[in-house]
Amino acid sequence: EAQVTQNPRYLITVTGKKLTVTCSQNMNHEYMSWYRQDPGLGLRQIYYSMNVEVTDKGDVPEGYKVSRKEKRNFPLILESPSPNQTSLYFCASSFVGGNYGYTFGSGTRLTVV
Amino acid sequence: AQSVTQPDIHITVSEGASLELRCNYSYGATPYLFWYVQSPGQGLQLLLKYFSGDTLVQGIKGFEAEFKRSQSSFNLRKPSVHWSDAAEYFCAGYSGGGADGLTFGKGTHLIIQP
Repeated sequence: EAQVTQNPRYLITVTGKKLTVTCSQNMNHEYMSWYRQDPGLGLRQIYYSMNVEVTDKGDVPEGYKVSRKEKRNFPLILESPSPNQTSLYFCASSFVGGNYGYTFGSGTRLTVV
Repeated sequence: AQSVTQPDIHITVSEGASLELRCNYSYGATPYLFWYVQSPGQGLQLLLKYFSGDTLVQGIKGFEAEFKRSQSSFNLRKPSVHWSDAAEYFCAGYSGGGADGLTFGKGTHLIIQP
C-alpha cells in the first residue's frame, strides 16, 4: 500500500530533550515536506526536500532540523524542544511539481512540557 | 504573496442538507488547487484537485468543486451531507514553481446536525 509512515503517533517530552520524528514513504517520491498544524493557524510548512541531500526552509523552520540521506526517509529533529513546539506534525510527500497533490502521514502529536 | 483564504472557520449543516465550503485564492497566475479533508485524529486525505480544463471537478465521497477564475474561488460542494462528513476541510494551492510547497487555508470545521 502506498503510504507515508510517521512515528511516533504521540510523544510527550520535556523541554530541552532532543527528539526525532521519523517519516518514511514507499512511493519513490522526490519531494518530502514537514508541516505543523496549530488551531486557528492551519498548516504551516517547516522544511522541505526536493531530493536526496537537498533540503530548504519553509515558513517556520526555527528550532527544527531535517536530513535527507535516503530518498524514502525525511526525519524531523528537534534538538532542544520548547513548549511552543507543542503541535500536531505532518509529513507529506509527492513527485516533484506538487501538482499531483501530497500524500500525508497520519500525524504526530507532540507535547513539550 | 500567494495565499489561500477560507472565510468560514465553522459551518453547521443539517444531515441531508446541501453543503458549500468557500475558498478564495490569490496567486499571480492560476494555481493548481486542492481540497483535503481531515477526520478527527487522522491525516489529510485528498478529496479532489483542479489543474486546468473543465471548471467543475468531481472528487471522492460525492464531493465536487467549481473553479471560478472571475471570482478567484474554488468552492467545495456536496448535494447531501452525511454525519460521517463531519471533519476539518482544507483548501490548498500550488503555484507550479517546483520548490514551493502547498499553501493551505486555515481550514473550515464542518459540524453536522442530526
